[in-house]
Amino acid sequence: AQKVTQAQTEISVVEKEDVTLDCVYETRDTTYYLFWYKQPPSGELVFLIRRNSFDEQNEISGRYSWNFQKSTSSFNFTITASQVVDSAVYFCALSLEGETSGSRLTFGEGTQLTVNP
Amino acid sequence: DAGITQSPRHKVTETGTPVTLRCHQTENHRYMYWYRQDPGHGLRLIHYSYGVKDTDKGEVSDGYSVSRSKTEDFLLTLESATSSQTSVYFCASSGEGGNQPQHFGDGTRLSIL
Repeated sequence: AQKVTQAQTEISVVEKEDVTLDCVYETRDTTYYLFWYKQPPSGELVFLIRRNSFDEQNEISGRYSWNFQKSTSSFNFTITASQVVDSAVYFCALSLEGETSGSRLTFGEGTQLTVNP
Repeated sequence: DAGITQSPRHKVTETGTPVTLRCHQTENHRYMYWYRQDPGHGLRLIHYSYGVKDTDKGEVSDGYSVSRSKTEDFLLTLESATSSQTSVYFCASSGEGGNQPQHFGDGTRLSIL
């Protein structure tokens, strides 16, 4: 069975600080996909990024960057120069390739990020 | 974004009553999912569907049933609601393949007294 662990339950930073959200995953499959979702206070879930197990390139999108390392089974998410609008719960999730499973997700517990002005 | 709507958005009911939550998508996605969100657990998969009339259990399926009679609709039923099923329920859909991001509805807040 697969598992996703987000050890940081809550993080509080001051605006403009950089912050890294940790995600560690477990799976025996060689083909898998990793996702990050954001859940702002309004409650909806917003897809941020997907990473394939065979693509270890890091990715940067504006103030967001993701560091995927298979050697440590980690897929960490960094926000540079954080802003109050970044305050949300962030979820890391894993899916496997399967004939009828679609992209059913195993989620981590989530990290509540609070950015204070 | 996939158009996914959940109804109702909020519901309060009593222990022992049946409850049905509805999910409707307009993207013609093959796959649909029901999750529940509880503090300290993230989101956990209840049931999912890989086609009309094709469903399978997820991690926390006890006490829940689902049905999918049309591509666009996926129903979640609590036959006899219990207080432990008080939660926020999310529906999602996705296209083919494990790499497809799921698009979520806005959630249903269900309270069972």
